[in-house]
Amino acid sequence: KAGVTQTPRYLIKTRGQQVTLSCSPISGHRSVSWYQQTPGQGLQFLFEYFSETQRNKGNFPGRFSGRQFSNSRSEMNVSTLELGDSALYLCASSPALLGQETQYFGPGTRLLVL
Amino acid sequence: QKEVEQDPGPLSVPEGAIVSLNCTYSNSAFQYFMWYRQYSRKGPELLMYTYSSGNKEDGRFTAQVDKSSKYISLFIRDSQPSDSATYLCAMKGSARQLTFGSGTQLTVLP
Repeated sequence: KAGVTQTPRYLIKTRGQQVTLSCSPISGHRSVSWYQQTPGQGLQFLFEYFSETQRNKGNFPGRFSGRQFSNSRSEMNVSTLELGDSALYLCASSPALLGQETQYFGPGTRLLVL
Repeated sequence: QKEVEQDPGPLSVPEGAIVSLNCTYSNSAFQYFMWYRQYSRKGPELLMYTYSSGNKEDGRFTAQVDKSSKYISLFIRDSQPSDSATYLCAMKGSARQLTFGSGTQLTVLP
């Protein structure tokens, strides 16, 4: 099975711009979660989507949003970018079945905000 | 206080050594425990997954969970230079998201 794929892998934006990141989960996985990883804060949960619905949301401002499509692919959007949004954004997919709680991560999108 | 505490290291050991990585947690609701390995500029890779107290072995890796002490460990036997990476513990309860430790940076010297 192909793993989780994320595009683009690298991105440079300037403050005030917006950005959209894409994630394709492992085939058959219906849950997609997004995390932000920074040296100072580590891995922090952004939100989780299941069957096109946001099921859970972390403690991030409303500038961070996402959506999931009927084929389970997901996008996350960050509007009005700030310098502090520079990070590795990771997508993780999960079967979301009882007893299968594991999450499998993609390679991430490295975002640099100038 | 963070829900999950992990010694950030860095930890440096000679090839062939036994490595012990540890995390403590405060949330009694955590039921599922995972260890991930992350190489530089890559996404985390799942190494071990367990949901009960006790030991689970997979090749050179052993995961240990002690729910009464709220303490989990990962042991790496016969460590290799290719094991050099950051190791992240992660755990979850009934909520969908994982809560991660800060990661331990490990270097295995040839």
